[in-house]
Amino acid sequence: AQSVTQPDIHITVSEGASLELRCNYSYGATPYLFWYVQSPGQGLQLLLKYFSGDTLVQGIKGFEAEFKRSQSSFNLRKPSVHWSDAAEYFCAVGGHQEYGNKLVFGAGTILRVKS
Amino acid sequence: NAGVTQTPKFRVLKTGQSMTLLCAQDMNHEYMYWYRQDPGMGLRLIHYSVGEGTTAKGEVPDGYNVSRLKKQNFLLGLESAAPSQTSVYFCASGGAHSYEQYFGPGTRLTVT
Repeated sequence: AQSVTQPDIHITVSEGASLELRCNYSYGATPYLFWYVQSPGQGLQLLLKYFSGDTLVQGIKGFEAEFKRSQSSFNLRKPSVHWSDAAEYFCAVGGHQEYGNKLVFGAGTILRVKS
Repeated sequence: NAGVTQTPKFRVLKTGQSMTLLCAQDMNHEYMYWYRQDPGMGLRLIHYSVGEGTTAKGEVPDGYNVSRLKKQNFLLGLESAAPSQTSVYFCASGGAHSYEQYFGPGTRLTVT
């Protein structure tokens, strides 16, 4: 069965510090992987995606993620966090057309940024 | 280009009442989805549609019905609302070959 685990429910980092949000997945085929961000009271915005090729992908707002097949992981990173990055972050797997491009989401990680 | 819009933004229902949530997209996407978001559980797929006139069950379909009479619209219905259906509901759409999904702003539903 497809599943996504985000081990950290909350993370607090200082502004300017680096950030890594963890994501582990279970998927029967070659995974398509996504990171979304949700600001309070808003919908979800796509940060970045991995389909194939280079395992380090760049996204918007200075975020990047690395796909590690051997570890079934797709961790999100940012070298220097800004106060505006405070939000909830969701990792998702799926997107294959034979399954209606359905996505399975993790439970989310809430990022707090302290000044 | 409005993207994905949802109507209404907020709603309060009494147990047993019915309602319909409307999702509209102007990106000519083939696929549309309804999710519910509950604290600590991420987003869970209720129903989805891969084209006009077709719908399919997702992870948590019980208590909900959907219809996709027009390509740009996807309706989610609650026939007899229950307190367990208190949640934030998100609609999303995506192209058949683009794999990523675009989300609406959400509808906050409270059932008392």
